[in-house]
Parts: sequence; structure tokens; C-alpha cells
Amino acid sequence: DTEVTQTPKHLVMGMTNKKSLKCEQHTGHRAMYWYKQKAKKPPELMFVYSYEKLSINESVPSRFSPECPNSSLLNLHLHALQPEDSALYLCASSQGTGEETQYFGPGTRLLVL
Amino acid sequence: SQQGEEDPQALSIQEGENATMNCSYKTSINNLQWYRQNSGRGLVHLILIRSNEREKHSGRLRVTLDTSKKSSSLLITASRAADTASYFCAVHKAAGNKLTFGGGTRVLVKP
Repeated sequence: DTEVTQTPKHLVMGMTNKKSLKCEQHTGHRAMYWYKQKAKKPPELMFVYSYEKLSINESVPSRFSPECPNSSLLNLHLHALQPEDSALYLCASSQGTGEETQYFGPGTRLLVL
Repeated sequence: SQQGEEDPQALSIQEGENATMNCSYKTSINNLQWYRQNSGRGLVHLILIRSNEREKHSGRLRVTLDTSKKSSSLLITASRAADTASYFCAVHKAAGNKLTFGGGTRVLVKP
């Protein structure tokens, strides 16, 4: 089973709110990823966790804060977002050995008002 | 900057026709992958081709890779309305555990 789940499916938040996105996988994968995707654009990598440690941060603003509580869970904490942060946020996982396929969740569609 | 660049950006074909899309990239890669995304949903992996491979098939999909030209193509044969989606190439560079996606090709298959 390579299913990756994400909650919530949709989120509307104000610029002063604090919210969190959640991603879960039970595949035994050791690498997990957060991507941001704007409409009609490709996914852009935000963060990579490898063996529960942050290995890549693509110069993402500090208003996005990732967390990996355990090997199955990945959170993205959101605070003081801007309207331009409205996008589809995708989580993915992979075996973690380097070159392999990534498996994506369905995404959380975020609207910042 | 995006490593993979795709063309065409959009493609409209009739059911039963073949669809071909191309991807170009700039640096050395370990592998190149193709993904499909239905409107506003997650990406689904289609096929992975390694840098030492030249062609790969999976069902109605055929992928080629030309590392000398730094380009790849995805062919969907005998297209179906259900093939309507955006298709992205993604390159896994020689260093680092990340994929970089191309701009995508939006394919519309008309019944």
C-alpha cells in the first residue's frame, strides 16, 4: 500500500490565524516531502525530511514551519500567511534511498483571506 | 529555475489518437520521471527511466530518453477520455534527494 493521506482537504484561513496541515503514510517510507503548487504551475519543493530529519529547506519563509513527529507523520504549521500563499499543498513520500518514485497525497487546497 | 521544460504546454486530440509530449532538461540526471495530475488532485507516478536507459514501456505509455540531447518524450497511444490530465516530467539530479518538475503539458482527449 503506497497511500498517502492529507487533511484537511480544504482550508480557509485569515492572515492572523495559525493552522496546520497533516500528512500521513503507513508504507514504511523514510523520506517525506512538502510541495506547493499554484494553479496551472508545476509543484515546487518546499521541504524534505529524510529519516525524520529535515534535509532540505528550499528557502521557504519562516511562516511555514514543518514538523516530522515520527516516521509516518508530517505536519506543516502555518502562521501569518499572505494571500499569495493560497495554493494546493501536496505531501509525498518515497522509500528514502535516493532515486526512487514519489507517492503523492491528494493535497490540501489552502485559501488565505 | 525549473530543470524540466515541456512542450507543448497544451494538447487537444480525439479519442483513439496518440499524444506525444516532450521534456528538456539542463544538467546531469540520475533518472527522469513522468507523473499525471487530474484537475486539482495529487500526482500519480507513471514511469521512471534511468539515465542509462533509452526507452521504457508501460501499457499504453512509451517513454524515451536521450541524454546526449538532454530530452525525453512521453507517448500515449490510443488515447482515452480518461487520459485527460496534466502530465509532468520531473528530473532527479545526480546529487540530492529531490525532484524538479517541468512546467507540464495539459492534455485534453475529446470523446
